[in-house]
Amino acid sequence: GNSVTQMEGPVTLSEEAFLTINCTYTATGYPSLFWYVQYPGEGLQLLLKATKADDKGSNKGFEATYRKETTSFHLEKGSVQVSDSAVYFCALRSQGAQKLVFGQGTRLTINP
Amino acid sequence: DAGVIQSPRHEVTEMGQEVTLRCKPISGHNSLFWYRQTMMRGLELLIYFNNNVPIDDSGMPEDRFSAKMPNASFSTLKIQPSEPRDSAVYFCASSRLQTNEKLFFGSGTQLSVL
Repeated sequence: GNSVTQMEGPVTLSEEAFLTINCTYTATGYPSLFWYVQYPGEGLQLLLKATKADDKGSNKGFEATYRKETTSFHLEKGSVQVSDSAVYFCALRSQGAQKLVFGQGTRLTINP
Repeated sequence: DAGVIQSPRHEVTEMGQEVTLRCKPISGHNSLFWYRQTMMRGLELLIYFNNNVPIDDSGMPEDRFSAKMPNASFSTLKIQPSEPRDSAVYFCASSRLQTNEKLFFGSGTQLSVL
């Protein structure tokens, strides 16, 4: 079945550090890939997405590239801020499907 | 526009009691999803509806759980009887009925069963 594996957290960085959160997936065909973010006390919200191989999703300084050959969708940001502290979820949706399959989530804490 | 609205925000109950969680999706959205979030299992899809009709309830853990969507603006998730292992955050999400439409999540209901 379809699944998403994220790097385990928690991840703690200093402000302005470079961020990578790894995400790999298992799916048949060509799924769409997503990163969602959950700020404390809130529901998840879409951060970025990519719908086909080699697409790059980007938003708020975050980027992720859909790599079919390595079945990966790693999240990166060049210089993190305290306000980026949240839980980040990688997710996939199979072609033609409605269901989103989420990874376990990675808690990120940025210290000033 | 108001987002997805869930109530209550927090629920504390005793084992064996009935619990009802409520959700109002975004107006105009015709797909609704119920998710459960725990430390051990992460985010699990319980059930989802299209146009008020349940499409996939394979994630509902057992017969103690039931969900309804009597109209386009309201859904409930009921647990009867509740057990301590049901303690989790329950999220409702809605979207338009297109496969790559993003989900809009509510703020969740934190359920504690003692």
